Amino acid sequence: AQKITQTQPGMFVQEKEAVTLDCTYDTSDQSYGLFWYKQPSSGEMIFLIYQGSYDEQNATEGRYSLNFQKARKSANLVISASQLGDSAMYFCAMREGDSGGSNYKLTFGKGTLLTVNP
Amino acid sequence: DAGVTQSPTHLIKTRGQQVTLRCSPKSGHDTVSWYQQALGQGPQFIFQYYEEEERQRGNFPDRFSGHQFPNYSSELNVNALLLGDSALYLCASSFLTVTQETQYFGPGTRLLVL
Repeated sequence: AQKITQTQPGMFVQEKEAVTLDCTYDTSDQSYGLFWYKQPSSGEMIFLIYQGSYDEQNATEGRYSLNFQKARKSANLVISASQLGDSAMYFCAMREGDSGGSNYKLTFGKGTLLTVNP
Repeated sequence: DAGVTQSPTHLIKTRGQQVTLRCSPKSGHDTVSWYQQALGQGPQFIFQYYEEEERQRGNFPDRFSGHQFPNYSSELNVNALLLGDSALYLCASSFLTVTQETQYFGPGTRLLVL
């Protein structure tokens, strides 16, 4: 089974509008972390936002927020007021287990290509 | 504050050859992870180095090996290159904190095997 599922291969949004990128995950661990990264065409993966499984509040970082629904195992990224520079691939990733435990790897989804139209 | 750096940016090799990719972590970070990203896919974890030891390994053959130096920089070596090794190789650095361990990525090395 896929650990991270991103069902939207591509998304389009008008500049200045909000957009939601979907991510569902599969784990039996109680402790885990969820991450979103942005990858422009240059290739570098840029960290956007983090949500811990025990965090009660949804994470926010500037125009980025994470809609965390633990019971549904979803961690959707919301980008408000889209900008042309937001056009990129977006990856959802998960680290299973406690920070400081024995698992350190990130497991990534296949990504969503976001295009912001002027 | 310098971010993660990788060299070279691009590389072309032929089947059977060996390649070495290099990574310098973000200032203050002591852990380096390597990922392989095939075209159209998400990155796949190769291994992670901490205190000059391989701490965890993903599902990659022994042709993939690595090293971490006392200054925390790292190398990824791939022997007996195959066409399927063509990919973007990403290095990520991190520093374990109590609450989370965020991995910060470099710009990657694009390897083409002919």
